[in-house]
Amino acid sequence: ETGVTQSPTHLIKTRGQQVTLRCSSQSGHNTVSWYQQALGQGPQFIFQYYREEENGRGNFPPRFSGLQFPNYSSELNVNALELDDSALYLCASSSNAGTSGGPPDFGPGTRLLVL
Amino acid sequence: GENVEQHPSTLSVQEGDSAVIKCTYSDSASNYFPWYKQELGKRPQLIIDIRSNVGEKKDQRIAVTLNKTAKHFSLHITETQPEDSAVYFCAARAGANNLFFGTGTRLTVIP
Repeated sequence: ETGVTQSPTHLIKTRGQQVTLRCSSQSGHNTVSWYQQALGQGPQFIFQYYREEENGRGNFPPRFSGLQFPNYSSELNVNALELDDSALYLCASSSNAGTSGGPPDFGPGTRLLVL
Repeated sequence: GENVEQHPSTLSVQEGDSAVIKCTYSDSASNYFPWYKQELGKRPQLIIDIRSNVGEKKDQRIAVTLNKTAKHFSLHITETQPEDSAVYFCAARAGANNLFFGTGTRLTVIP
């Protein structure tokens, strides 16, 4: 069973609100990537954090922002929520920005519903 | 950026038959190709992966093939069982960065 944990498991917000999602990476992993998975779609890369710095970003607007802490846990913040932000948000941890060769381990996800 | 296409979107097979899912990618720099199984409401689970220096990899009933020249890779599941029913995603990664996922294949194994 993967060591990646995410909180909360479910969340309901209204348009215009802000949300913070949290991820604890697997022990020994220093890289966290965030993905958005809309219903019936594959996960879409939001951004990656490596050693507390953003290390790559997908095609998401600036209202999607993140942080990584010294213990390598991470937060995803979304401002000015829109209905289309409703999705499963997945966190994946790996080592050394993915260069160590192993696949990322996914957390269980946070399901966000924006009304 | 990388573009991964996956076919078919849905696949139904009789229990015991084989299932094949195909993906193509666009970025010749992609060098790592994992396959994930995702059951309803759960996280994607890695089932097999292949690197660009290998043409084929097998793990019991599951195998993956990679054709770098044609930029396509396939998942083969033999002797399918009802518990194989799920959504399967292919993905590609170039270098150290993120995974690009296909749109998924919903596999149904009919008992």
